[in-house]
Amino acid sequence: GAGVSQSPSNKVTEKGKDVELRCDPISGHTALYWYRQSLGQGLEFLIYFQGNSAPDKSGLPSDRFSAERTGGSVSTLTIQRTQQEDSAVYLCASSLAVGATDTQYFGPGTRLTVL
Amino acid sequence: QQPVQSPQAVILREGEDAVINCSSSKALYSVHWYRQKHGEAPVFLMILLKGGEQKGHEKISASFNEKKQQSSLYLTASQLSYSGTYFCGTFNMDSNYQLIWGAGTKLIIKP
Repeated sequence: GAGVSQSPSNKVTEKGKDVELRCDPISGHTALYWYRQSLGQGLEFLIYFQGNSAPDKSGLPSDRFSAERTGGSVSTLTIQRTQQEDSAVYLCASSLAVGATDTQYFGPGTRLTVL
Repeated sequence: QQPVQSPQAVILREGEDAVINCSSSKALYSVHWYRQKHGEAPVFLMILLKGGEQKGHEKISASFNEKKQQSSLYLTASQLSYSGTYFCGTFNMDSNYQLIWGAGTKLIIKP
């Protein structure tokens, strides 16, 4: 079946504007993760969902970041009042469940550039 | 706590072997290995589980030493396609149901 999809693939915005990033996980996957990756860096955990609930929001960098997931499927990551330091690739991943043996499948990412 | 990967980077000639290590200060349930090519998303390589089970779909071998809380990824007879950054993710009792990712090992294969 289809893999994880993300939209848009690229987003250029001006400082101070709000942006919404979308993730469509693999059908049937109950777990969904958001990561941020700056150029040449590792994966920075932001938030994960188990179904529609987010047990761990500890990775969100500030209160300008929020995420929701509806219907146990699509998730949206919203960044309000964007800053230049928000520029990065935002990756979404999904897995069947949350556990030690569950493989995460990544989407292609959204490259966010804040001018 | 973030697992430590070593080396940070390695350059090989095609056909040479490499070992990438991932060490944790915590007791591990599993170690996950991913490869990320430039400009692409990370791709799953292998899971190593406490007790010795392995799951993977690549012709890449790995080991998991539970006592040392360490995993090693073995890349033998490297091919140009092996180039990329390798990340390990660890899952332990305290990780709150998420993988804790290492900083990555950059592998460059030259012809």
